[in-house]
Amino acid sequence: AQSVTQPDIHITVSEGASLELRCNYSYGATPYLFWYVQSPGQGLQLLLKYFSGDTLVQGIKGFEAEFKRSQSSFNLRKPSVHWSDAAEYFCAVGPYSGGGADGLTFGKGTHLIIQP
Amino acid sequence: ETGVTQSPTHLIKTRGQQVTLRCSSQSGHNTVSWYQQALGQGPQFIFQYYREEENGRGNFPPRFSGLQFPNYSSELNVNALELDDSALYLCASSLAVGDGRSNQPQHFGDGTRLSIL
Repeated sequence: AQSVTQPDIHITVSEGASLELRCNYSYGATPYLFWYVQSPGQGLQLLLKYFSGDTLVQGIKGFEAEFKRSQSSFNLRKPSVHWSDAAEYFCAVGPYSGGGADGLTFGKGTHLIIQP
Repeated sequence: ETGVTQSPTHLIKTRGQQVTLRCSSQSGHNTVSWYQQALGQGPQFIFQYYREEENGRGNFPPRFSGLQFPNYSSELNVNALELDDSALYLCASSLAVGDGRSNQPQHFGDGTRLSIL
């Protein structure tokens, strides 16, 4: 069965500092990998996705993620965070970009706190 | 382009009652998926509707059921509500072809917050 692990429940970063959020997955085949962001009281917004090709993927809001097959990881990075980046971040895995009949499997999320 | 809209935004029910949540898919999308997000957890897949039929289901009991209408909007129905059903219910739409596979990412609504007393 597929699973997603986000080892860090909370991360605190100073504004302007770099950020890396960790994600490890378990999946039987080549999956689609996603990072979503959720602000309080909001739904999920897609930051980026990966299926194949260049293992470094660029997303919106200055985020990027690197796929490492050997480590089953898909870590999210940003060189310089802004106070508006404070939110909950979810890593997800699925068989198709749109989820398909099995849907997407999400991690439990990482809560990002930005210090002034 | 109209995004995914869900109604109501908040709902309070008591144990044993039934509830219906509604979702309008994004313009041009033909599949709807429903997810349950308990407090402090990631979303969990409930089911997906495509061509007005359920074509995939997660680990949820039959008292969770749904409908998809010809205009691709959808309803999630939950019977015999339990305290553990308290959660944010998210709807996501996408464009699928063939057997429901989609190469387009899902777009999520802002959810319905359901509280069970």
